[in-house]
Amino acid sequence: SSELTQPPSVSVSPGQAARITCSGDALPVRYVHWYQQKSGQAPVVVIYEDNKRPSGIPERFSGSSSGTMATLTITGAQVEDEGDYYCYSADSSGGPKVFGEGTKLTVL
Amino acid sequence: QGQLVESGGGVVQPGRSLRLSCAASGFSFRNYGMNWVRQAPGKGLEWVSFIYYDGRSKYYGDSVKGRFTISRDNVRDTLFLQMDSLRFEDTGVYYCARGTEVLDSWGQGTLVIVS
Repeated sequence: SSELTQPPSVSVSPGQAARITCSGDALPVRYVHWYQQKSGQAPVVVIYEDNKRPSGIPERFSGSSSGTMATLTITGAQVEDEGDYYCYSADSSGGPKVFGEGTKLTVL
Repeated sequence: QGQLVESGGGVVQPGRSLRLSCAASGFSFRNYGMNWVRQAPGKGLEWVSFIYYDGRSKYYGDSVKGRFTISRDNVRDTLFLQMDSLRFEDTGVYYCARGTEVLDSWGQGTLVIVS
C-alpha cells in the first residue's frame, strides 16, 4: 500500500498558524483525512475528505490538498491543540488503508 | 454518534492466539464498514484491517496478512479480530473504528501484550 509522509514535529507559538503536511503518491486520487490524538486518548477526526470540518471542530482547523500533498492548517493555534496529528488515506485501489507516521504539534 | 467498546485484550505468549471483540451500539452497525487500528507503545497509528458492511470484502495490512482474520456479526452488532501466531511486535492498543473512508467513531481501545 502507498505510504504517507509527515514531518515528525511542528512547533509554533500561541496564535500563530500551524501547518502540517502529508505527502503520498496516491493522494491525487484519494481523499485525505486528519486525526488529532491527545495523550492517552483515542484519535478524533478534525478534517475529512481533504477539507471538510466535522461538527464540533473549531473553525481554526482547515485542510487542503493539491497533487501529492495535503496540508492541515490550524489558524491561530491554541495550547489545547497540542497533540499528535495523523493523516490517513486509502490505497489508490480503494482497499488497504494507511496512516502517516504522525506529527507532534507543540504550541508554546 | 454511536459507541464502540473493545474487549479481549490481555497478555499472551508469542505464537499463541487471541480474539478481540468490539461491541457497537447507538447506530445501525450493519450499514457501516469497520476497521481495526493499533498503536504500539510510544508509536504511531497503524491501520490493521477493514471489513465491508456486509462482510463480503476484507483487507489487511501487510504486517498482519495471513495471521489475523477480521469478521463481524451483524445480528449481535459485534466486530471481531482473530489474531494468530502472535509476535512481540503485535503488542499495543487495538482500536475498532467505524467507517469505510473516514473513521468517524472510535472505541477507547484494548491493550494486547505479547510477552
